[in-house]
Amino acid sequence: DAGVIQSPRHEVTEMGQEVTLRCKPISGHDYLFWYRQTMMRGLELLIYFNNNVPIDDSGMPEDRFSAKMPNASFSTLKIQPSEPRDSAVYFCASSLGTSGRSDTQYFGPGTRLTVL
Amino acid sequence: AQSVTQPDIHITVSEGASLELRCNYSYGATPYLFWYVQSPGQGLQLLLKYFSGDTLVQGIKGFEAEFKRSQSSFNLRKPSVHWSDAAEYFCALKDSSYKLIFGSGTRLLVRP
Repeated sequence: DAGVIQSPRHEVTEMGQEVTLRCKPISGHDYLFWYRQTMMRGLELLIYFNNNVPIDDSGMPEDRFSAKMPNASFSTLKIQPSEPRDSAVYFCASSLGTSGRSDTQYFGPGTRLTVL
Repeated sequence: AQSVTQPDIHITVSEGASLELRCNYSYGATPYLFWYVQSPGQGLQLLLKYFSGDTLVQGIKGFEAEFKRSQSSFNLRKPSVHWSDAAEYFCALKDSSYKLIFGSGTRLLVRP
């Protein structure tokens, strides 16, 4: 298996622009997680999906952030409009389940976002 | 509130020396605990995890961790460090709502 795939790996944009980050989870995994990593706040969970349905989006910082999962093999995290404080590394992770042996989360390589 | 504390921001060890990275947690029930490693520019890779049973957990790359309920700790150890172990290490706790709560990380530097 190729693991969790994220694109792009790096994104540089200007303040006010729309940014879309993409994730392909491991095939067969029912859970998908979006995290943000910054120096100040470390790793934070933004949102997670179960069977394509958003379950908990309490970590999404504000309305400028939105996430979708139109099917089991694709998810997007969108920031519109982007701001310099959104600069961070965004990780996608997936897991088979959330209990016992199936709850290991496998992380993608991340997207490094820089908003100028 | 649930939390994970990694008290050491940086640790430097010589190649071949032993290693222990500290992790303390706060959680009201028996926790599920994880150690992940992040190499520069890479995602997080799972080293090992604890659910229940044997409190000494073996992981990949020669790492092990010991769960000590009385100390609320889950320290990561390796008997002999290799230069390729230089990375950032994260301890994490899974709470009842399936979220992973991460510590702030410990950056390991390895002296040749």
